[in-house]
Amino acid sequence: GNSVTQMEGPVTLSEEAFLTINCTYTATGYPSLFWYVQYPGEGLQLLLKATKADDKGSNKGFEATYRKETTSFHLEKGSVQVSDSAVYFCALANTNAGKSTFGDGTTLTVKP
Amino acid sequence: SQTIHQWPATLVQPVGSPLSLECTVEGTSNPNLYWYRQAAGRGLQLLFYSVGIGQISSEVPQNLSASRPQDRQFILSSKKLLLSDSGFYLCAWSVLAGGEQYFGPGTRLTVT
Repeated sequence: GNSVTQMEGPVTLSEEAFLTINCTYTATGYPSLFWYVQYPGEGLQLLLKATKADDKGSNKGFEATYRKETTSFHLEKGSVQVSDSAVYFCALANTNAGKSTFGDGTTLTVKP
Repeated sequence: SQTIHQWPATLVQPVGSPLSLECTVEGTSNPNLYWYRQAAGRGLQLLFYSVGIGQISSEVPQNLSASRPQDRQFILSSKKLLLSDSGFYLCAWSVLAGGEQYFGPGTRLTVT
């Protein structure tokens, strides 16, 4: 079956530091890959996505590249801000599957 | 544009009492609908998903049930709540079965 493994948190960084949150997956076929973000007390929001190998998803300074050879979709940002403090979820979904598979989430805290 | 509503936002219920959480989606037709639970500091647990009216798939065989009485309405129910039912309940929808999901604001349930 499908699975997603995320880097365990929590992750604490200083403002303007470089961020990497690792995500690897196991799936049949050619899934779409997603990063979602959850701010305290809220639902999840789609941050970025990639639908095929070598695609790069980007949004709000965050980037992730769909690497089929390493089955990875690592999230990166060059300079984090305090407002980026949140929980980040990596997820995958197969075309025509009824559901997505989510990682356990990684909590990021950015200190001024 | 599409919006998703969940209510209530917070709920405190005694053990053994019934539960009804409602989710509605506006601005789209025949969405895929999902119920998730998130325990404190934990990842997402998929409870139910639905690809159409009257079509419910259960992921977790517990004392919870779901119904979809209308195309854009998804209801989560329980006849008798347990302490372990406490958590943050999230409803989500997607256009495609393998596509990105859009989450509601969530319901914080505390069973006392």
